[in-house]
Amino acid sequence: QQQVKQSPQSLIVQKGGISIINCAYENTAFDYFPWYQQFPGKGPALLIAIRPDVSEKKEGRFTISFNKSAKQFSLHIMDSQPGDSATYFCAASRQTSGSRLTFGEGTQLTVNP
Amino acid sequence: NAGVTQTPKFRVLKTGQSMTLLCAQDMNHEYMYWYRQDPGMGLRLIHYSVGEGTTAKGEVPDGYNVSRLKKQNFLLGLESAAPSQTSVYFCASRPSGREQFFGPGTRLTVL
Repeated sequence: QQQVKQSPQSLIVQKGGISIINCAYENTAFDYFPWYQQFPGKGPALLIAIRPDVSEKKEGRFTISFNKSAKQFSLHIMDSQPGDSATYFCAASRQTSGSRLTFGEGTQLTVNP
Repeated sequence: NAGVTQTPKFRVLKTGQSMTLLCAQDMNHEYMYWYRQDPGMGLRLIHYSVGEGTTAKGEVPDGYNVSRLKKQNFLLGLESAAPSQTSVYFCASRPSGREQFFGPGTRLTVL
């Protein structure tokens, strides 16, 4: 049972464009929604995270939009750069049970120069 | 600080062989996790630990065992490896906050 669904599986954008990755979750007990970035041969690293009491969080070129009623959240990368080419994972967790992360399937982003 | 380290980086096993993957962290984190990453499936939690001497099952625990005898180490064991366990294995740790810090991964192939 995939509790966090992510789309698209792959995404190609031009340099300077906007990259948008979407996630949907099922468990309303989730209270923490991070996005992780993974470069080839490396482990994932936290990019940005949001809690359900806010609808948007921005850090530089990266923005999370959160829709609690729809149980959806998305990552927007403004002015996408070739260095942003990586795999992006959304995830969700709740405070109990060790704050285990449930990950989406991942999106492979390619930014063409 | 080395952060989270994993040993070995690569390993090839034959079906039925056993092995242990070692995860070590020097950040004094309480919580540690083992995930496996497979194409198109994201990362799935195998086992986790909320402190020294404790372990708990995650989403896909079958065929794996773990131990956390020391706070800084979290071991993942495969008693009898199967081709279905071919994967990239990641260890992660976290302090009291919610961010998890990942190691570089171990690529395991079971023939």
